[in-house]
Amino acid sequence: QVQLVQSGAEVKKPGASVKVSCKASGYTFSTYYIHWVRQAPGQGLEWMAIINPSAVTTTYAQKFQGRVTMTRDTSTSTVYMELSSLTSDDTAVYYCARDAFMVRGGRTYYYMDVWGKGTTVTVSS
Amino acid sequence: DIQMTQSPSSLSASVGDRVTITCRASQSISSYLNWYQQKPGKAPNLLIYSASGLQSGVPSRFSGSGSGSYFTLTISSLQPEDFATYYCQQSYSTPYSFGQGTKLEIK
Repeated sequence: QVQLVQSGAEVKKPGASVKVSCKASGYTFSTYYIHWVRQAPGQGLEWMAIINPSAVTTTYAQKFQGRVTMTRDTSTSTVYMELSSLTSDDTAVYYCARDAFMVRGGRTYYYMDVWGKGTTVTVSS
Repeated sequence: DIQMTQSPSSLSASVGDRVTITCRASQSISSYLNWYQQKPGKAPNLLIYSASGLQSGVPSRFSGSGSGSYFTLTISSLQPEDFATYYCQQSYSTPYSFGQGTKLEIK
């Protein structure tokens, strides 16, 4: 079945970087974009970035520009999200999600149909 | 950037009730609107895509409607497993923003 398996929890000090992985299985890796979404404790969902695994094109939310980098390894069907210059505000659960699509009435609609279980990143001195 | 605003932020209801959650976009987004359900400690789960499309495996008591800048999610008869937080999300343009969430609690 279609799955996204994320790497384990991380604890980092302020100023450090963290790299979270998301391994896809059960479908053709290059066909679907991958999103990263985070959720701070007790807060809502925040969209961070999207990557096209086949073309390695990325789009980042303005808030994270210059601090986030998404990469992929097609040999292992894995997408990586690296966030640098961490502060306590980056403490959150980080999710990857597949960007599915459907065509209706000549338009293509996008939605996140499969999610990883999340990776908890804690930033603390 | 497109802002998404949900109402109410929280809602108390009973099993069997009919419940409607609204989501407004700061500009027209056609039907590029999705709804997700999230339970504590779990990843979000897709319910509705493109405003009214029911995701496979989602019970038919969930329905979505709307277009342009006003959307609704309706649960026709609440079941115990429906008590959760619900989010709308626009996929019209990046950044793909979410609403702030609506927490549905048991009355």
